[in-house]
Amino acid sequence: GENVEQHPSTLSVQEGDSAVIKCTYSDSASNYFPWYKQELGKGPQLIIDIRSNVGEKKDQRIAVTLNKTAKHFSLHITETQPEDSAVYFCAAIGPGGSYIPTFGRGTSLIVHP
Amino acid sequence: ETGVTQTPRHLVMGMTNKKSLKCEQHLGHNAMYWYKQSAKKPLELMFVYSLEERVENNSVPSRFSPECPNSSHLFLHLHTLQPEDSALYLCASSRTGGEQFFGPGTRLTVL
Repeated sequence: GENVEQHPSTLSVQEGDSAVIKCTYSDSASNYFPWYKQELGKGPQLIIDIRSNVGEKKDQRIAVTLNKTAKHFSLHITETQPEDSAVYFCAAIGPGGSYIPTFGRGTSLIVHP
Repeated sequence: ETGVTQTPRHLVMGMTNKKSLKCEQHLGHNAMYWYKQSAKKPLELMFVYSLEERVENNSVPSRFSPECPNSSHLFLHLHTLQPEDSALYLCASSRTGGEQFFGPGTRLTVL
């Protein structure tokens, strides 16, 4: 089955800096990669996603890149703000009607004001 | 709000109690999921229902019993739990192949 590794487990940055979270996946057939943000006391919420037919996607201060050959994808947050502090999860989903994502272990991002 | 609601938000129960967690979605999704989230562990998929049929059961102990009476509702019946079952239980829904929408979770404490 699919295996998703996520690094780092904890990331501490100063407000205004950039943050990068990296994930690797094992199943080359996976073709959909969502990222979730989980704030304290809430469930994970989708913040951005990418499909295997594109290499990069951007939405304001967040962007995701995908390298299918190397089987890794990354989340980039620029100009971080304290409200970006949360746990971020990456996930990989396979094709062929499979709809069950495999999640990474999560990254706790702390943005210091 | 994601459109997925869960009740109760917090639950404390003894090991001999029977309780149920409820999840509801009105997003028109056809798949619903139960996850367990423990501290310092990845999200653990417990059960998946697609079109009200259980399609995944990830070796979950029988003290957890899911029920999906219709495409909008999902229950998790709890019986004779152990303290190590204390965790955040998350419900999610999706269209087949689409992103998942999570509820806020039920924080369960087993004494």
